[in-house]
Amino acid sequence: DTGVSQDPRHKITKRGQNVTFRCDPISEHNRLYWYRQTLGQGPEFLTYFQNEAQLEKSRLLSDRFSAERPKGSFSTLEIQRTEQGDSAMYLCASDLGPGSYEQYFGPGTRLTVT
Amino acid sequence: DAKTTQPPSMDCAEGRAANLPCNHSTISGNEYVYWYRQIHSQGPQYIIHGLKNNETNEMASLIITEDRKSSTLILPHATLRDTAVYYCIVRVAAGNQFYFGTGTSLTVIP
Repeated sequence: DTGVSQDPRHKITKRGQNVTFRCDPISEHNRLYWYRQTLGQGPEFLTYFQNEAQLEKSRLLSDRFSAERPKGSFSTLEIQRTEQGDSAMYLCASDLGPGSYEQYFGPGTRLTVT
Repeated sequence: DAKTTQPPSMDCAEGRAANLPCNHSTISGNEYVYWYRQIHSQGPQYIIHGLKNNETNEMASLIITEDRKSSTLILPHATLRDTAVYYCIVRVAAGNQFYFGTGTSLTVIP
């Protein structure tokens, strides 16, 4: 257990539905990251926050994806109008800030879109 | 960030040293070499990182060639629990996200 928690651990949804995932980082960590991992691939960066500010978004993050980190604590990742191609593991990570060499990853949320 | 090349899979006998190679021929002077691993159904876990000098911690050793174009992660006495996908990543010190490749799937054999 790294101290980063994610909820739910598994989510099955039908195509076209909206889903929301939550990540609780280690409490003193300023930066929070979202990654997506499909079968046989390494994690791919989606977006990250420095406190409550979303500082960077990958081109992988389409308009159907939105992430928030209100008050710089937990974060949510919402996917609207899910597609089968959204099926993946969604990983959250956190670190202390610029210069940190270690990101602490949560266990992930596995999304299956049927 | 520079790209890395790793063999897709390797086997290692339990108790022996596991040597995982990584090529990063386009690495820049300010980029560090990081290693993470991912055990099945878990998030990635930091192992070690280095710039120029060889590094050792309680988990592994990192050997970086003098020209910094390649490196080797060494697990000195592999156990079954070391079976995982190992990712070699290069990133600047003040970098943010990590760019993972497909890694090396290490299987430790009893």
